[in-house]
Amino acid sequence: GEKVEQHESTLSVREGDSAVINCTYTDTASSYFPWYKQEAGKSLHFVIDIRSNVDRKQSQRLIVLLDKKAKRFSLHITATQPEDSAIYFCAASRNMGYKLTFGTGTSLLVDP
Amino acid sequence: EAGVTQSPRYAVLQEGQAVSFWCDPISGHDTLYWYQQPRDQGPQLLVYFRDEAVIDNSQLPSDRFSAVRPKGTNSTLKIQSAKQGDTATYLCASSWTGKDTQYFGPGTRLLVL
Repeated sequence: GEKVEQHESTLSVREGDSAVINCTYTDTASSYFPWYKQEAGKSLHFVIDIRSNVDRKQSQRLIVLLDKKAKRFSLHITATQPEDSAIYFCAASRNMGYKLTFGTGTSLLVDP
Repeated sequence: EAGVTQSPRYAVLQEGQAVSFWCDPISGHDTLYWYQQPRDQGPQLLVYFRDEAVIDNSQLPSDRFSAVRPKGTNSTLKIQSAKQGDTATYLCASSWTGKDTQYFGPGTRLLVL
């Protein structure tokens, strides 16, 4: 089955800097890659996703890049703010309405 | 639009006790997922439904766990005889087949002593 590896378990940046979280996946049939944010004691909140028909997607300060050849995708948070501090999970799925396989999470700390 | 709701929010059990978790998905969402999230780990799928049909329950420990969604709306996840290893947060999510995004509920935090 699909395996998703999230490479950074913790990441610390200064406010205003960029943060990058990297993930790799194993299933070549995966075509949908969402990112979720989890604040302390709370549930998962969807932040951005990318489908395999594009290699870049941006939503305000969030950019997702997808390299299908390398089976790698990444989340870039630009101009970080203290409220960006949370655990970020990457995930992969084969298609719409299919189960998600999650990475192990990256704890991002933005120092003010 | 109301989000995914779950109850109870917390449960504390002794080993061997039974517990049920309830989930109400977003109205109109045909697909419902149950994930288990152990502390400091990512969510792992237990089972998911499309309408009332089970699509994948291969990761559900069938000897002690069961899940139903009889009318294709609300769902119940039950643990018959809890073990300490079941300590985790149980997350329910829902989606609509025509869209990829899964929306998560607040979760039920289970502690088995």
